Parts: sequence; structure tokens; C-alpha cells
Amino acid sequence: AQSVAQPEDQVNVAEGNPLTVKCTYSVSGNPYLFWYVQYPNRGLQFLLKYITGDNLVKGSYGFEAEFNKSQTSFHLKKPSALVSDSALYFCAVRDTGYSNYQLIWGAGTKLIIKP
Amino acid sequence: NAGVMQNPRHLVRRRGQEARLRCSPMKGHSHVYWYRQLPEEGLKFMVYLQKENIIDESGMPKERFSAEFPKEGPSILRIQQVVRGDSAAYFCASLGENEQFFGPGTRLTVL
Repeated sequence: AQSVAQPEDQVNVAEGNPLTVKCTYSVSGNPYLFWYVQYPNRGLQFLLKYITGDNLVKGSYGFEAEFNKSQTSFHLKKPSALVSDSALYFCAVRDTGYSNYQLIWGAGTKLIIKP
Repeated sequence: NAGVMQNPRHLVRRRGQEARLRCSPMKGHSHVYWYRQLPEEGLKFMVYLQKENIIDESGMPKERFSAEFPKEGPSILRIQQVVRGDSAAYFCASLGENEQFFGPGTRLTVL
């Protein structure tokens, strides 16, 4: 069955420290992987995606994510957190084993950066 | 190049009234998705449409909810006889090359 897991409901990080938001997935075909960020009372903004090629992808606002096929993970990372990074983060996957264009969404992780 | 547009941004209805939510995708996009989000929760898929076609409505409640995406004009999510439990943020997204682009959402409040 297709699924996306974000095992942490909330992640707390001190400003200036590195941050990681975890995501693992289960699909039948090759995955297309995405990260989105949602600020309070706003829509979701696209951060980055992995389609093919280099396993490390760089996105907006200094974020990056690493595709790990053996661990079926796509963790979001940033070397030095900012208070303004505090938001809700969603991981999503498209299973290319299916012909539709649906995304399977994780439940979201609330990231809190403390000054 | 305007992004995904949704209107109204806020909608207040009394129980039993109808709510109509509109979504105009990004220029050139012909696939639209509707999602519902409750406060402090994730996205719940509702329906996926192409122009004049419903591709997947597996997330739509069987009663009172309907969606369309006509050849001309915006996609419409229609909720008939609203109840308090329909209060939520409704987001629409349109499909680019691979990623979805989201609108700002419509916040529906049912009194």
C-alpha cells in the first residue's frame, strides 16, 4: 500500500542549530518526492522535489533533502535554523507505478525554532 | 504569471445554506485538486479534476458535496446544506510539470 510517514508531530530546534524533519514512504514504483511548507493561515508552498538524478536536492530558503532509496526516506534538512522557519512541513510522494497524478501526503510536522 | 487563485478567501454560512468555493488554476494548468484541512491537521484529499472530467472523487463525501471544472471558468466546489462540521480551510491546487501549486485557501465558517 502507498503511504507516507512523518514520525514526529513536532520538532523543536534552537535558532542556529541544524534541523531535520523526517519522512519515509512506501510505494510500488519509483517515487517522486516533495516537501511543502505551510505558514499559519496560508496555503502550502512548494519547497523542493526529487524526481531523478542526484540524491541530494536543494530547494527554497536554504532547505535541502536527501533521497535514500534503501531506507525509503526523504528527510528535510537545513544547516542553520531561523526563527522564521517555524511552520508546518508536509512530505508527499507520487507513486509512478500508477498512471494517475495523485500525491500521497504525510500528516505534517510542526517545526518550532526557538530564539 | 498569476498563481492559483481562490475566492472567496473567507466564507460564512448558516447551517442549511449552500457554499460555493472557486478555484482558478495557474495559466496553462488543466488539472485541479481540492483538499480540506481542519485546524492543526494535515490535508485531506477530496477530488481531482481535469477540464470537464472528474478523475478521482474518492475523498468526497457521498452527499452534499460536488465539484466541477468546466471547459471555461474556474473549478467549483459546492457544498449543499452546510453543517458545522464542514467548517474548515479548503485548498485547491493545480498541477505543473510534477508538483502541485496551491492557492491561498477558502476558510469556511458555518454558524
